[in-house]
Amino acid sequence: SQQGEEDPQALSIQEGENATMNCSYKTSINNLQWYRQNSGRGLVHLILIRSNEREKHSGRLRVTLDTSKKSSSLLITASRAADTASYFCATDAIQAGTALIFGKGTTLSVSS
Amino acid sequence: GAVVSQHPSWVICKSGTSVKIECRSLDFQATTMFWYRQFPKQSLMLMATSNEGSKATYEQGVEKDKFLINHASLTLSTLTVTSAHPEDSSFYICSLFGLAGPYNEQFFGPGTRLTVL
Repeated sequence: SQQGEEDPQALSIQEGENATMNCSYKTSINNLQWYRQNSGRGLVHLILIRSNEREKHSGRLRVTLDTSKKSSSLLITASRAADTASYFCATDAIQAGTALIFGKGTTLSVSS
Repeated sequence: GAVVSQHPSWVICKSGTSVKIECRSLDFQATTMFWYRQFPKQSLMLMATSNEGSKATYEQGVEKDKFLINHASLTLSTLTVTSAHPEDSSFYICSLFGLAGPYNEQFFGPGTRLTVL
């Protein structure tokens, strides 16, 4: 079953603008991860944030996690046309060794 | 991190035939692997958990007799789509847990695109 819900479902911006995607989940988690997927391709792991972390940066990516609200956000700064892709959040439950459960995803389109 | 391969990367078959998809861990022994399915413009849905040496655990709504999973070794899990039909056309992705630094993380294969005519 899907745990995460992303919003917006689709986002269109211009190059240079920032893109913010949000993810909400339902149960307690160990980690939350963000993945990127270009059309018809496999998943690319972007960033992992642990349940005891509140914010994490990686290059132009900034992820926040609010466990009290069971939500996370992914910010891509200074977007580029090459950032056009679908972005998914995925969570793993407290029980070790369980599968990641993916949200529905946000489709980002960056036009030049 | 773990390196995961899938074979084939894509396959086209006629309705009614069976298709086997392999998922290999190239550098890590995995007692547990996961199989996901992704329909066009949708997210990944967990199909089943593959356990080495024992039966797979299927998610609700996934037919275990149609999607046969065999985890024969610590580095190989196979998914066989039996009597495939056009509605089984999808992107199938496997994953496994591996060590990344001090923590276990999940690593994904590149996926197999199945098209059933």
